[in-house]
Amino acid sequence: AQRVTQPEKLLSVFKGAPVELKCNYSYSGSPELFWYVQYSRQRLQLLLRHISRESIKGFTADLNKGETSFHLKKPFAQEEDSAMYYCALSNNAGNMLTFGGGTRLMVKP
Amino acid sequence: EADIYQTPRYLVIGTGKKITLECSQTMGHDKMYWYQQDPGMELHLIHYSYGVNSTEKGDLSSESTVSRIRTEHFPLTLESARPSHTSQYLCASSDPGTGRNTIYFGEGSWLTVV
Repeated sequence: AQRVTQPEKLLSVFKGAPVELKCNYSYSGSPELFWYVQYSRQRLQLLLRHISRESIKGFTADLNKGETSFHLKKPFAQEEDSAMYYCALSNNAGNMLTFGGGTRLMVKP
Repeated sequence: EADIYQTPRYLVIGTGKKITLECSQTMGHDKMYWYQQDPGMELHLIHYSYGVNSTEKGDLSSESTVSRIRTEHFPLTLESARPSHTSQYLCASSDPGTGRNTIYFGEGSWLTVV
């Protein structure tokens, strides 16, 4: 069974501070990991995926297979980063995306 | 405009009523999904479909049923709603051509059963 854990329900930081949203997973196959974001009054949308190795809105995430983690990081948080962030894992067949419980990021001025 | 639409956005109904949540996408995606999410909790996959006439149960058991008669349409039905069905239901679709499991979500349907 595949499982995604986001240990923090709420993360509050000041503007300009570094941010790390934690994500751990368990999966017996080769995982494909994603981060989804939901801004206030908007729909859930893809932020980034590990296979792309991209930086989106200053966020990056590195897949660490040894620690089974896919933490989301940003060196300097902005107020507009305040949102709900969900880590997600896709199975090998690509037909099931399992989400973590989500972390609410609040960036204070 | 290519998008995924859900109706109704908000629904309050009485126990025992039959309801159908509509979901349509104009992106030509083959795969479609229904997720259920209680406030502040995880998203759980309850149904998915690979294409027309294909429906599968997700990892969370649900009393709802789905159908996929047309590619663009994936309605979810509850034959007899109960208060335990109160939740947000998110419809989504994906296109393997844009990267495996890049899922696009609708705005969600909030269901309250009283």
